[in-house]
Amino acid sequence: AQSVTQLGSHVSVSEGALVLLRCNYSSSVPPYLFWYVQYPNQGLQLLLKYTTGATLVKGINGFEAEFKKSETSFHLTKPSAHMSDAAEYFCAVSRSYGNNRLAFGKGNQVVVIP
Amino acid sequence: NAGVTQTPKFRVLKTGQSMTLLCAQDMNHEYMYWYRQDPGMGLRLIHYSVGEGTTAKGEVPDGYNVSRLKKQNFLLGLESAAPSQTSVYFCASSQGQPYGYTFGSGTRLTVV
Repeated sequence: AQSVTQLGSHVSVSEGALVLLRCNYSSSVPPYLFWYVQYPNQGLQLLLKYTTGATLVKGINGFEAEFKKSETSFHLTKPSAHMSDAAEYFCAVSRSYGNNRLAFGKGNQVVVIP
Repeated sequence: NAGVTQTPKFRVLKTGQSMTLLCAQDMNHEYMYWYRQDPGMGLRLIHYSVGEGTTAKGEVPDGYNVSRLKKQNFLLGLESAAPSQTSVYFCASSQGQPYGYTFGSGTRLTVV
């Protein structure tokens, strides 16, 4: 079964600094990988996803993530944090074939310090 | 706007009461899911459906039942609510690989 590890439940970043959220996955078959963002009192929204092809994927709001098969990682980055980036971020993995189940990490709560 | 709609948004129940949460999607998605979200626990899958008339258990199905009589609707029932079911419940739908899920805005349930 696939699984996701996100370390550090709370991440503090200064406004204008790099945002880096780490995601490592486990999957017995080629994975599909996703990052979702959850703003306060809202549902989850898709930030970006990797399916096939280019390993560096760009998403909304200036975020990007790189799929590294050798490291089983899909870390999320943004060069310069904005106050509006304060939210919870979830990494998720699914199998590239078979069922459509997503396995979610436990999330990172990002706090942006002015 | 197209999407996933959950009703109600908030509810307070007394222990032992029953209720049904409704999830409706207008995107003709085959797959639908119910999750609960608790602090420090992330999202946990309760039940899911791979098409009209089908349901299956997820990670934490005990105390919940579901039905998918129409493709666009997925109902989550609590027959006898317990304080441990206090949580935020999210519904999601999907058209399948590799599109990911579309989530509703959640139902905040408190059982006292």
